[in-house]
Amino acid sequence: AQTVTQSQPEMSVQEAETVTLSCTYDTSESDYYLFWYKQPPSRQMILVIRQEAYKQQNATENRFSVNFQKAAKSFSLKISDSQLGDAAMYFCAYNAGGTSYGKLTFGQGTILTVHP
Amino acid sequence: GAGVSQSPRYKVAKRGQDVALRCDPISGHVSLFWYQQALGQGPEFLTYFQNEAQLDKSGLPSDRFFAERPEGSVSTLKIQRTQQEDSAVYLCASSYASSRGLAGAVYNEQFFGPGTRLTVL
Repeated sequence: AQTVTQSQPEMSVQEAETVTLSCTYDTSESDYYLFWYKQPPSRQMILVIRQEAYKQQNATENRFSVNFQKAAKSFSLKISDSQLGDAAMYFCAYNAGGTSYGKLTFGQGTILTVHP
Repeated sequence: GAGVSQSPRYKVAKRGQDVALRCDPISGHVSLFWYQQALGQGPEFLTYFQNEAQLDKSGLPSDRFFAERPEGSVSTLKIQRTQQEDSAVYLCASSYASSRGLAGAVYNEQFFGPGTRLTVL
């Protein structure tokens, strides 16, 4: 079974600084997707960024980028120029490719606090 | 159009009561997922529908949990004889189609609803 591990229960960052959230996963599949989701307090889960395992290039979405290390099964999220609105719980998630239909396996989450 | 909606947003039940949680997916979305999120934890998969067909119910924790999507749109998650350990946020998500892992295929993003917070006393 696939597992996703986030070893940082909480992280904090100063506004305008950079922070990196860690995630490791375990799978025997070669074809899969990885995601970072953001869940603000009492608000809906939204997709931040996704990475296809077959792509060597790291995904980037504006201030958000990932460091995908397939051999190490590591998938970290870097948030640059942090803003107060980035404060939320962040979840790393995995989806097997191939014949998978999109079922997500989530990590435990990391609470990100942004200090003004 | 509107996003995924869920009702009620909050539900308090006495232990032993039956509850029904509703999910209205985005119109036209084929795939629908239910997840259970315990306090301070990541969501855990419960069940999956493709149109009206329930293709995976491997995550349902017991036979007290039942889900349906009879017309391929609205879905209901029913919990019978609720227990305290059922207290959680129940999330619904929908996507346009099922994803495929073929190189170059477009992943269809799952859009989440706001969840229903169930508290069992």
